[in-house]
Amino acid sequence: DARVTQTPRHKVTEMGQEVTMRCQPILGHNTVFWYRQTMMQGLELLAYFRNRAPLDDSGMPKDRFSAEMPDATLATLKIQPSEPRDSAVYFCASGRLGGNNEQFFGPGTRLTVL
Amino acid sequence: RKEVEQDPGPFNVPEGATVAFNCTYSNSASQSFFWYRQDCRKEPKLLMSVYSSGNEDGRFTAQLNRASQYISLLIRDSKLSDSATYLCAVRGTGGGNKLTFGTGTQLKVEL
Repeated sequence: DARVTQTPRHKVTEMGQEVTMRCQPILGHNTVFWYRQTMMQGLELLAYFRNRAPLDDSGMPKDRFSAEMPDATLATLKIQPSEPRDSAVYFCASGRLGGNNEQFFGPGTRLTVL
Repeated sequence: RKEVEQDPGPFNVPEGATVAFNCTYSNSASQSFFWYRQDCRKEPKLLMSVYSSGNEDGRFTAQLNRASQYISLLIRDSKLSDSATYLCAVRGTGGGNKLTFGTGTQLKVEL
């Protein structure tokens, strides 16, 4: 049963610290998405990749957030420096372009910045 | 106006009831539509795609109304286990398969 995996599942850190979240997409999927979910804003798209190339990161605060895909099995989302307003659940999702456009979500990283 | 809008609810219904949610979208050229289910503190999970001809899966029926720009989800004979938040998602006309999600409708099925 193929699934998207994410690490860590929970992260508590202090303001100003660097946070790195990792995602392993489903094997064979060629699109990867990073979302942030909060009670106030719902599910927001931060960035997405197609065949490892970044296609759209307009939803991401550029000054502190960065997203990369060093290889087909790993996507990373970094926040440096972190701020309390970054506290949220960060989801990674993957999909197959050209299929029926479904996206499958990982379990998320619950981030708390103190 | 938001790209995708949903009534946040909650919808409180008795077990066995039929309940329906709508989701409106602003881009008339949107191409693909989906319903996701999200349980508390879990990730969204794909419930069903919404096709132009409608889609039925057991007790769940999804429909698309392009003229009025909304999709709907109907749940028949609701179960306690159907309690969750239901998110609609819409794919626009841009490249890739980027989805825009609604904020979700909360359903609570009660005894």
